[in-house]
Amino acid sequence: KNEVEQSPQNLTAQEGEFITINCSYSVGISALHWLQQHPGGGIVSLFMLSSGKKKHGRLIATINIQEKHSSLHITASHPRDSAVYICAVRSGYKIIFGKGTRLHILP
Amino acid sequence: DAGVIQSPRHEVTEMGQEVTLRCKPISGHNSLFWYRQTMMRGLELLIYFNNNVPIDDSGMPEDRFSAKMPNASFSTLKIQPSEPRDSAVYFCASSPAQTGGNQPQHFGDGTRLSIL
Repeated sequence: KNEVEQSPQNLTAQEGEFITINCSYSVGISALHWLQQHPGGGIVSLFMLSSGKKKHGRLIATINIQEKHSSLHITASHPRDSAVYICAVRSGYKIIFGKGTRLHILP
Repeated sequence: DAGVIQSPRHEVTEMGQEVTLRCKPISGHNSLFWYRQTMMRGLELLIYFNNNVPIDDSGMPEDRFSAKMPNASFSTLKIQPSEPRDSAVYFCASSPAQTGGNQPQHFGDGTRLSIL
């Protein structure tokens, strides 16, 4: 079993829909990162969380340390949100990545 | 501000050749990370430097891989000899974090490496 599991693997939705991507992990962590990778391949760090909730524009990230679970939400989704969203956890010196969620927003 | 700068953007070479990937982190960032991304394995951390010192290299696949950071503004990842299975996109990232600390990382555009 992978130490970091993301769901769903793939998600297709209509423009305007509320999107939730989940990340569960099985190791002790000091932080969790959400990354966005666009079709061109570039990677952008969206959030770094160690507790609670963070918001940036239409993106919201939450983490529940007790349940070892994080969610990334996108409100009012737009085709430009189409990308692969990757969860990564920092465990000691290790950084462990999920396999990513491929999101496709249809106009 | 200039972001993390990687070179080359693309590299195609024959197996057995030495490959050197370069990275210039964001000025003032004292942590630097090398990652590899493949379709099969996704993103993997290869090595992590803090203040130019390698902190964790347990992700380096084998002795053919080596990384150096001679100063705060430059790092290299070298593969010698290269093999077709080394084909991947190699990303460099930097952050202002201290050792064990947690700050958002800034990624370079990556080097797409193809070993024939």
